[in-house]
Amino acid sequence: GENVEQHPSTLSVQEGDSAVIKCTYSDSASNYFPWYKQELGKRPQLIIDIRSNVGEKKDQRIAVTLNKTAKHFSLHITETQPEDSAVYFCAASRDSSASKIIFGSGTRLSIRP
Amino acid sequence: AAGVIQSPRHLIKEKRETATLKCYPIPRHDTVYWYQQGPGQDPQFLISFYEKMQSDKGSIPDRFSAQQFSDYHSELNMSSLELGDSALYFCASSLLSQYPGVAAFFGQGTRLTVV
Repeated sequence: GENVEQHPSTLSVQEGDSAVIKCTYSDSASNYFPWYKQELGKRPQLIIDIRSNVGEKKDQRIAVTLNKTAKHFSLHITETQPEDSAVYFCAASRDSSASKIIFGSGTRLSIRP
Repeated sequence: AAGVIQSPRHLIKEKRETATLKCYPIPRHDTVYWYQQGPGQDPQFLISFYEKMQSDKGSIPDRFSAQQFSDYHSELNMSSLELGDSALYFCASSLLSQYPGVAAFFGQGTRLTVV
């Protein structure tokens, strides 16, 4: 069945440094890749997304890249700040209907002051 | 701006009891998703609705059922509760044309504890 693998499971970076989280997906029909941020005890929040017809998308300090051939996509956070500490989930879906999203297993990002 | 509203926020039930979780999507959103998230786990898709019709079904036990009503609010009904049902249950809503196939806006969740 469809699967999304995410790594690393935990990541600790110095404040101001960059953080990179990587995901791979198995369903070649996936064409939409959202990223969610979930702070402890709170709801997941959609922070950025990318569609399969785009290779890269940037929003301020956050960028996502997609390699459809390799079925890889990544989240890049630059100039990390303490408020970036959270669990980040990648996900993959086919955007053809109100269908299920397959989430990655999550990356717990900690920003060291 | 109005967000996805879930009620109750916390619920404690005993084994074999029944629970009903409610979700009020963002006005004009036409899709609703339900997710179950265990401690330290990623959200697991349960079921989704588009325009009040069931759209897709995930790993939802037969003991659970859900529906979406004419006012677009949705309810997740859980019967014969088991200890393993203890989790955070999220509802999410989207406008299909804007976020096709994606749960874009999550509610704050209902924390269900089965004792």
